[in-house]
Amino acid sequence: DTAVSQTPKYLVTQMGNDKSIKCEQNLGHDTMYWYKQDSKKFLKIMFSYNNKELIINETVPNRFSPKSPDKAHLNLHINSLELGDSAVYFCASSLRTSGVSYEQYFGPGTRLTVT
Amino acid sequence: AQSVAQPEDQVNVAEGNPLTVKCTYSVSGNPYLFWYVQYPNRGLQFLLKYITGDNLVKGSYGFEAEFNKSQTSFHLKKPSALVSDSALYFCAVRPDSNYQLIWGAGTKLIIKP
Repeated sequence: DTAVSQTPKYLVTQMGNDKSIKCEQNLGHDTMYWYKQDSKKFLKIMFSYNNKELIINETVPNRFSPKSPDKAHLNLHINSLELGDSAVYFCASSLRTSGVSYEQYFGPGTRLTVT
Repeated sequence: AQSVAQPEDQVNVAEGNPLTVKCTYSVSGNPYLFWYVQYPNRGLQFLLKYITGDNLVKGSYGFEAEFNKSQTSFHLKKPSALVSDSALYFCAVRPDSNYQLIWGAGTKLIIKP
């Protein structure tokens, strides 16, 4: 199936731990994103990569570090997890054509719970 | 500051009635406009977009949206609501050729049988 996939779907961990979330897309897109959706359902862009180059880096604690090994993958590593990091994290991808990125396609989300 | 407003946190509609979910924006230039839907415990799904051309755009699941430049609005509509349309709807705007989308806060649509 063509899609954006994320692993794991659920992640429960203790404060202070380090964890990673992986994202892969097989849509042939060249731009990928990480979003955080809080308990009130607000969506906040965290990072975006275009052709493996970081193009959006919002005000996010430097405990969060994205890594894009290739155009089809964008991983998110989080160090020293805090209670406030609990949220649903969405990966998305889009195709940038003639300087414009069009609609984004989202993964199913990773629900992170920090205890 | 550039922003997107979805003035209603929740919209309640009876099944079979027409529905409207409102979106207004404040961005510079000629923006690109999008609607997404999020079903419970799912990722967001793209519904439709306006880039240029006809102000009325049609999308998935029978939804359509009307772009109104003078009112800077992009309201989502459907002629006859289904219970299965119940979900969270997000409006998003991309200012000109910027990479980043500006998201509305979402509107919960509840369709009652």
